[in-house]
Amino acid sequence: RKEVEQDPGPFNVPEGATVAFNCTYSNSASQSFFWYRQDCRKEPKLLMSVYSSGNEDGRFTAQLNRASQYISLLIRDSKLSDSATYLCVVNSLTGGGNKLTFGTGTQLKVEL
Amino acid sequence: EAQVTQNPRYLITVTGKKLTVTCSQNMNHEYMSWYRQDPGLGLRQIYYSMNVEVTDKGDVPEGYKVSRKEKRNFPLILESPSPNQTSLYFCASSWGQGKGITDTQYFGPGTRLTVL
Repeated sequence: RKEVEQDPGPFNVPEGATVAFNCTYSNSASQSFFWYRQDCRKEPKLLMSVYSSGNEDGRFTAQLNRASQYISLLIRDSKLSDSATYLCVVNSLTGGGNKLTFGTGTQLKVEL
Repeated sequence: EAQVTQNPRYLITVTGKKLTVTCSQNMNHEYMSWYRQDPGLGLRQIYYSMNVEVTDKGDVPEGYKVSRKEKRNFPLILESPSPNQTSLYFCASSWGQGKGITDTQYFGPGTRLTVL
């Protein structure tokens, strides 16, 4: 089982739609969680951190469920510019210290 | 402008010819790391460094070397590249190891390496 698993997609949605991505992680000792956005052939960039109580940043809402070990990202009112790959990132405490593990990403395509 | 730079951005080389990919950050970050990204496998950490003269192996260190002689620079060295090292490489830096929710990883623009 992968440490961090995401549905690769692609998710093809019309402009204005609401879309949700889930991510599951296997290490129950994971401490912090993030969503990164990666445009085609570009570097990943932090979209938002995920707080235990859930958090919102404009059209984006992130949720964390520690009991079920999953993280979600909700995008409301999708824009063409939201088309990208969304990476789930988990920070876990291991024997060697903190370790960041990246999911393989979920591809989103927003269409007219 | 705060940034991470990598050079070269694109490189085609042949098996066995030693190469170095440079990485530099101007944010005074302590933590730097190298990742490779391959289709279906996501980003995998090659090596990381928590501070000057401190480096450690990540998940896929075989065939790579690094050094951290200065805080701002973290070069990746392939002593004898092989075709299975063809990949997209990213350097990243942050204040810490991502322990805190503010420990954003800043990535360089990537180096696309092809080994023939």
